[in-house]
Amino acid sequence: NAGVTQTPKFRVLKTGQSMTLLCAQDMNHEYMYWYRQDPGMGLRLIHYSVGEGTTAKGEVPDGYNVSRLKKQNFLLGLESAAPSQTSVYFCASRGTRTSGDGANEQFFGPGTRLTVL
Amino acid sequence: DQQVKQNSPSLSVQEGRISILNCDYTNSMFDYFLWYKKYPAEGPTFLISISSIKDKNEDGRFTVFLNKSAKHLSLHIVPSQPGDSAVYFCAASWRSGTYKYIFGTGTRLKVLA
Repeated sequence: NAGVTQTPKFRVLKTGQSMTLLCAQDMNHEYMYWYRQDPGMGLRLIHYSVGEGTTAKGEVPDGYNVSRLKKQNFLLGLESAAPSQTSVYFCASRGTRTSGDGANEQFFGPGTRLTVL
Repeated sequence: DQQVKQNSPSLSVQEGRISILNCDYTNSMFDYFLWYKKYPAEGPTFLISISSIKDKNEDGRFTVFLNKSAKHLSLHIVPSQPGDSAVYFCAASWRSGTYKYIFGTGTRLKVLA
């Protein structure tokens, strides 16, 4: 049981290049999320999905697209990378199992460190 | 407009003493509050949560207190251990509807041996 995995772990892009970040989870979770983490900014939601074939915008969606063709995978795409997209990207998933207090916690992947030159 | 705030970017505590991490929020519609712990080069991991209908939740060395009138919550770690050194994020969510979470900016805790 690998949990949430992210590919790649590191990537350096030039301005204008495109790439896709892959997130995979093996917990049969319905909900998946993409966040970016920047210094002093915490975790900000880019896009999320509440089920296969569905996606929705988060707080900072501009410059990103996502797809959820299979329940276990959530892809984040950058069509034309910009230096402002230099960040650490985290994928998370959430199921219906709750903590002892009833909260639905998220499970995070290890992150992808992206640098755009 | 930051709905969840962690005003202390860092905190240093001696091993064996209590660590208190604070979090403030502005949206009274939040139903659940969660704390996550993050080590360098790893993703955040869930630590403890509290429902808005409670004022305290305890799990071993970790206790979260919620003061709804002040829109304030705190995480207490007793006793603090060097392995607790990490960044701690406070998060808030709505139980139903949007399925989204709002995170604070994090507090870096350093436990000194």
